Amino acid sequence: DAGVIQSPRHEVTEMGQEVTLRCKPISGHDYLFWYRQTMMRGLELLIYFNNNVPIDDSGMPEDRFSAKMPNASFSTLKIQPSEPRDSAVYFCASSGGSMNTEAFFGQGTRLTVV
Amino acid sequence: AQSVTQLDSHVSVSEGTPVLLRCNYSSSYSPSLFWYVQHPNKGLQLLLKYTSAATLVKGINGFEAEFKKSETSFHLTKPSAHMSDAAEYFCVVTPVGGYQKVTFGIGTKLQVIP
Repeated sequence: DAGVIQSPRHEVTEMGQEVTLRCKPISGHDYLFWYRQTMMRGLELLIYFNNNVPIDDSGMPEDRFSAKMPNASFSTLKIQPSEPRDSAVYFCASSGGSMNTEAFFGQGTRLTVV
Repeated sequence: AQSVTQLDSHVSVSEGTPVLLRCNYSSSYSPSLFWYVQHPNKGLQLLLKYTSAATLVKGINGFEAEFKKSETSFHLTKPSAHMSDAAEYFCVVTPVGGYQKVTFGIGTKLQVIP
């Protein structure tokens, strides 16, 4: 398996624009997580899905952020409108089996909002 | 409630000397504990995990960690540092069976001096 695949790797956008980050989890994994990493706040769990259903989105910073998982092999994280403070590295991770199984992380998307 | 404290934001060791990265946690539940490593511009990779089995856990690349409930600690060690160990290390705590409450430490940057 190629692991968790995220696209794009880098995104530079202007303030106010819509940004969509994409993630393909490892085949067979039934949990998918979106994280944000910044120098100030470290790694934060934004939202996670189980069997394509959002379970906990309490980490989503505000209504400008939304995430979907239309099927088991694809998820998106959308920011609309984007702001400079959204600049961060966004990681997608997936895990399978029991809740204690470790998460496998993608390479991340480095988002810069100017 | 749960939290994780990585006591050192930066650790510097000479190649061939022991590594100690400290992690303390607090949790209202029986915790699962993980150490992840992040190399520059890469995603996070699992080093090892504790999930209420043996208290001394061996991971990849010669790392190990010991769960000490009385001290609420899960320090990461390696007998002899290698240049390739230079990276950032994250201690993670979740309650057993409760991934939605995952908490990452702020990270410890390990520098290995030749």
